[in-house]
Amino acid sequence: GAVVSQHPSWVICKSGTSVKIECRSLDFQATTMFWYRQFPKQSLMLMATSNEGSKATYEQGVEKDKFLINHASLTLSTLTVTSAHPEDSSFYICSAIQGINTEAFFGQGTRLTVV
Amino acid sequence: DAKTTQPNSMESNEEEPVHLPCNHSTISGTDYIHWYRQLPSQGPEYVIHGLTSNVNNRMASLAIAEDRKSSTLILHRATLRDAAVYYCILRGYTGANSKLTFGKGITLSVRP
Repeated sequence: GAVVSQHPSWVICKSGTSVKIECRSLDFQATTMFWYRQFPKQSLMLMATSNEGSKATYEQGVEKDKFLINHASLTLSTLTVTSAHPEDSSFYICSAIQGINTEAFFGQGTRLTVV
Repeated sequence: DAKTTQPNSMESNEEEPVHLPCNHSTISGTDYIHWYRQLPSQGPEYVIHGLTSNVNNRMASLAIAEDRKSSTLILHRATLRDAAVYYCILRGYTGANSKLTFGKGITLSVRP
């Protein structure tokens, strides 16, 4: 099946710094990518929907200036957590989808710990 | 957004079939029914999806009610590796309905 690669798998950063997470679709062109965060024992919470070449659409309550999303090509989207704080520590997951009626493929997730 | 309702949890025995139900009474005509599963500390994995007809693949079968207000994911022979959280999600064509929004899912436990 199709593969979505997410990098890094885990990262520890100091409070106040920024962290970039990459999401690549390795063998297909992703028209849409989704970014999620997941806290322990909770479901995935959709943060934003990203379409190639256009601005991301953020869910209510998600700060677009804090969580910068760039979808520069059909195979790459990035999420930058700016000025990270301990409460931003979470499991971040990306998903890529090729078309309207096709399945979504997910990255392996990035465990972010802000100290 | 159309919503789905799933039981919180289910237990099954290894090598027996498992039927995971999902209710989606407000489904619209263009909503696809997707199923994904997630193991701890991993990203979700695609299982199956369909629109109106029942679907089969190497992982599972999806039985869709005639009125499309409910569906059932069928694992024909559960293994210990099938223990996961299973999510039933509706996804439409445009706008807000094209998002992939997760509910709480159902936690499947498999007894050896």
